[in-house]
Amino acid sequence: QKEVEQNSGPLSVPEGAIASLNCTYSDRGSQSFFWYRQYSGKSPELIMFIYSNGDKEDGRFTAQLNKASQYVSLLIRDSQPSDSATYLCAVNWGEAGNMLTFGGGTRLMVKP
Amino acid sequence: GAVVSQHPSRVICKSGTSVKIECRSLDFQATTMFWYRQFPKQSLMLMATSNEGSKATYEQGVEKDKFLINHASLTLSTLTVTSAHPEDSSFYICRADRGAEAFFGQGTRLTVV
Repeated sequence: QKEVEQNSGPLSVPEGAIASLNCTYSDRGSQSFFWYRQYSGKSPELIMFIYSNGDKEDGRFTAQLNKASQYVSLLIRDSQPSDSATYLCAVNWGEAGNMLTFGGGTRLMVKP
Repeated sequence: GAVVSQHPSRVICKSGTSVKIECRSLDFQATTMFWYRQFPKQSLMLMATSNEGSKATYEQGVEKDKFLINHASLTLSTLTVTSAHPEDSSFYICRADRGAEAFFGQGTRLTVV
C-alpha cells in the first residue's frame, strides 16, 4: 500500500512568519510531487510541483524534495491570513495518472 | 482561468433520484479523467478513472452500477449518481491532466434530502 502522510494540523503561524508543511511518502520509486491548496468548500488548486531533489522557488513558496529521506516540504514565506487553507501533498508513483495519491492534508491557520 | 470546468457546482436532489455531473477539459484533450469524492474534513478519495471510449475503472468499494461514468469525448466525462441516498451527499470533484499537471474541476456539492 503506497502511502502519503501529512500532519493534519492545524498548524498555526502568525502573519509574516514562515509556514513549514511536511509530507512523507512510502515508495522510493515516486517520480513527481505536487502541492495543492484547498480552501474550505472549494476544489484543490495546484501551487507547485517538483521532480528533482533540492529546492524550487516560486514567489513566496518553496518546495523542497529529498528523495533519499522520502519527504517533500512546502515553505510559505511572509504568511498571510489568505494563506489559511488545507494543503494537500500528492505523489505520483508512475506515469499513469491514476497513480497520483494524496495525503490527508495539513490545515494551516495564519493569524493576523 | 479554469482549465477544467465542472457543473453543476451545487445540487440538491430528492432521495431516489439521479444526478448527473459534467466535467470538461477546456483547452486540451483528456483521454483519461478522474472522479473523487470528499467528505467533510477528509481527504480526496479516488472513486474511478474515466477512459475515453472505454469502460471506467472503479476503485475498490465503489459501486459501478450506482456511479455511472461516461467519457464519450476527449473533453467530456460525466458522473451520474443513480438512486441517490442521503449517504451519497458529498463533494464530488473531477480531475484532468494536461501533461504532467493535474487540474481539478470546481467541484459539485451534492445534497440528497
